[in-house]
Amino acid sequence: GAVVSQHPSWVICKSGTSVKIECRSLDFQATTMFWYRQFPKQSLMLMATSNEGSKATYEQGVEKDKFLINHASLTLSTLTVTSAHPEDSSFYICSAPTTGVWTEAFFGQGTRLTVV
Amino acid sequence: DQQVKQNSPSLSVQEGRISILNCDYTNSMFDYFLWYKKYPAEGPTFLISISSIKDKNEDGRFTVFLNKSAKHLSLHIVPSQPGDSAVYFCAATAQGGSEKLVFGKGMKLTVNP
Repeated sequence: GAVVSQHPSWVICKSGTSVKIECRSLDFQATTMFWYRQFPKQSLMLMATSNEGSKATYEQGVEKDKFLINHASLTLSTLTVTSAHPEDSSFYICSAPTTGVWTEAFFGQGTRLTVV
Repeated sequence: DQQVKQNSPSLSVQEGRISILNCDYTNSMFDYFLWYKKYPAEGPTFLISISSIKDKNEDGRFTVFLNKSAKHLSLHIVPSQPGDSAVYFCAATAQGGSEKLVFGKGMKLTVNP
């Protein structure tokens, strides 16, 4: 079946540095990918919609200059957390629907980011 | 304002019994609903979905029921197995499933041997 691969699975970085998270669709092309964030015991919150070849669409309250999204190809979207701070520590997950509808949205394995 | 609510944070059942996970929603524009299973430090795994034109969808041990008038859906797992122990998320979307997914907070299911 369709697979979405996310890398790295965990990362620890120093405050003030930037971290890049990659999301790849392995056996299908994804014109759209979604980035979610999950705090402990909280729901998965949509951060932004990544569109291949165009600018990402950010949800209200998400700083686009802090969370840079690039979707340069049909199989790769990246999320860069710039100037990371401890409050950015969270679990980030990407996803991609295979057909454009959520009949079966596939999720990456997630990235645990810890900023120290 | 939470549009998708899973009011019970956890549920514990005996192996072989039925597990019933509930979900309520407030947005009447939602017309497609999904259930995901998630283990710690992993991404969610799709389980089953239902369109608003149906009131029931069954896939093996998993059945989802939708009550549109009550804006309520439930996931039934029968018989429950220890491997079903995980966090279950209810999600909803609009426009036939092409709009963004809105998730509930999740519910931790524990199936005891």
